[in-house]
Amino acid sequence: GESVGLHLPTLSVQEGDNSIINCAYSNSASDYFIWYKQESGKGPQFIIDIRSNMDKRQGQRVTVLLNKTVKHLSLQIAATQPGDSAVYFCAENNDYKLSFGAGTTVTVRA
Amino acid sequence: EPEVTQTPSHQVTQMGQEVILRCVPISNHLYFYWYRQILGQKVEFLVSFYNNEISEKSEIFDDQFSVERPDGSNFTLKIRSTKLEDSAMYFCASRGTDTQYFGPGTRLTVL
Repeated sequence: GESVGLHLPTLSVQEGDNSIINCAYSNSASDYFIWYKQESGKGPQFIIDIRSNMDKRQGQRVTVLLNKTVKHLSLQIAATQPGDSAVYFCAENNDYKLSFGAGTTVTVRA
Repeated sequence: EPEVTQTPSHQVTQMGQEVILRCVPISNHLYFYWYRQILGQKVEFLVSFYNNEISEKSEIFDDQFSVERPDGSNFTLKIRSTKLEDSAMYFCASRGTDTQYFGPGTRLTVL
């Protein structure tokens, strides 16, 4: 069956550095992907999304890259801040039923 | 900014009891969802709801689960006879066009 997964469960990054979080998906028919951020005790918070007809999309301090050839998705956070410490999930949208990856915990070091 | 709200934030219940988890979706959204997250695991889809009926449900969503939109603002998840393994965070989400927006969750603890 389809699955969505992240490459690394944890990422430690120095404040001010850039962060890169990776995700692999298996359903080549998926056409819409979303990155969510989840802080402790809170629900998933939408960060950015991308459709399969694009390979890059930029938001405020975040960029999502999509490589359909290798079924890979990444989230880049520029100038990482302490408030970026959270668990990051990629989600694959199948008829608006989201399939989440396992999550990467990002810890920002001061 | 509009947001999804959920009550209660934490619910403790005895095994076999019924629980109702409540959600108020974003007001102009028409699509509603429930997800759950067992501690330390990924978020899992339970059910989607549109036009007063279930659109799709996962294999987790068995006969013990039901959803309802009792009025124009609330969306509820009922678990008829809770089991220990129902202990999890339950998230409600709503969608207008593409993006699903999540509530803060209800932590359900079944003893």
